[in-house]
Amino acid sequence: DAGITQSPRHKVTETGTPVTLRCHQTENHRYMYWYRQDPGHGLRLIHYSYGVKDTDKGEVSDGYSVSRSKTEDFLLTLESATSSQTSVYFCAISLKGGTEAFFGQGTRLTVV
Amino acid sequence: DQQVKQNSPSLSVQEGRISILNCDYTNSMFDYFLWYKKYPAEGPTFLISISSIKDKNEDGRFTVFLNKSAKHLSLHIVPSQPGDSAVYFCAASGTGTGSARQLTFGSGTQLTVLP
Repeated sequence: DAGITQSPRHKVTETGTPVTLRCHQTENHRYMYWYRQDPGHGLRLIHYSYGVKDTDKGEVSDGYSVSRSKTEDFLLTLESATSSQTSVYFCAISLKGGTEAFFGQGTRLTVV
Repeated sequence: DQQVKQNSPSLSVQEGRISILNCDYTNSMFDYFLWYKKYPAEGPTFLISISSIKDKNEDGRFTVFLNKSAKHLSLHIVPSQPGDSAVYFCAASGTGTGSARQLTFGSGTQLTVLP
């Protein structure tokens, strides 16, 4: 298994609160991604990073921000959580953009 | 507008028979295609990939076929085993810039292999 750790694995939070999800890798891969998985939508890209402090938006970036201050860590922040952000969030890593990505175990987030 | 489409949400197959999972794409800039398998409560795992310069790639029981003119790819699993029961995602990446170069996923197909 690729060395990817997501934390927390489960979280319940209230509408309007900020939430930060963490992804940690031990593989020294350049690219890191945050996806969300929802029924009927598959996996949708939220944000990705192609290096320390280099990030870009994905398909569904509204309401989310990211930071990457170290190669191994990629943080996803929901600035003010809404019920529509209830989802399973997956972090992924890859050596090159657009190639095989390796996924973490996921974080199930519930916004009530 | 979904650029990668998996039109069958579910598929059931008898053990030992062939499973065929289908995927269509609309973006002609896609040039690399992948299949992932996902078990409940786990992250997706990479299964097999194919470049647009090929029309077939085989790895053990898994074969991916690419028909560029039809913008269609399929995953064949022969013979199917109960452990293959999972959600299968098709994904594609392309020659654009920024997020267009990253993986775009279909909505998935739940495969159930019946013993």
